[in-house]
Amino acid sequence: DTGVSQDPRHKITKRGQNVTFRCDPISEHNRLYWYRQTLGQGPEFLTYFQNEAQLEKSRLLSDRFSAERPKGSFSTLEIQRTEQGDSAMYLCASSLASGGSDNEQFFGPGTRLTVL
Amino acid sequence: AQKVTQAQTEISVVEKEDVTLDCVYETRDTTYYLFWYKQPPSGELVFLIRRNSFDEQNEISGRYSWNFQKSTSSFNFTITASQVVDSAVYFCALSEYGFNKFYFGSGTKLNVKP
Repeated sequence: DTGVSQDPRHKITKRGQNVTFRCDPISEHNRLYWYRQTLGQGPEFLTYFQNEAQLEKSRLLSDRFSAERPKGSFSTLEIQRTEQGDSAMYLCASSLASGGSDNEQFFGPGTRLTVL
Repeated sequence: AQKVTQAQTEISVVEKEDVTLDCVYETRDTTYYLFWYKQPPSGELVFLIRRNSFDEQNEISGRYSWNFQKSTSSFNFTITASQVVDSAVYFCALSEYGFNKFYFGSGTKLNVKP
């Protein structure tokens, strides 16, 4: 399967702990996006990378959140000092930045975070 | 500012009925893209269609059809002869030129009963 993969699929943590999620995009895709989805809502944009450069960050991404894509391939999203309000599904998507027809975003299965 | 509104929170139909999911968007951009995604209970968002702002032609793909009307800022999605497997949450999304990020609606949960 060559789709977007995310790890772990589920994470339960205690308030105040740090967590890190990983996303592996489709191999030829140069753009990678992180979204957060809470129950009953659509995904909300957090940040995106083109290759290894982080080009945009949402105001939703507080100082406790950091994302990296060190070699322009996989990406990690870290949340420090988690709070109960961080409980959500964290979605990763990738796309190919070009003028072609295949530049829709393909989404991974998500990581569901529960903060106790 | 960009915004997508899906006023229908949940719709229930009986199998074989036709159903239309509404999507209304707001944007100041002249070039933009509209999308529909399906999110089944498994959680993974599945791409259904993309439309750019210059192409108002309606599109049909099997039992699915889409009606894009710039005059009313709407991009509605119709499923003909619905099936139980169509049960899912459907999201409409808007993206800026360059696909920097998507703005999603809050979704419409479709329940198709046998």
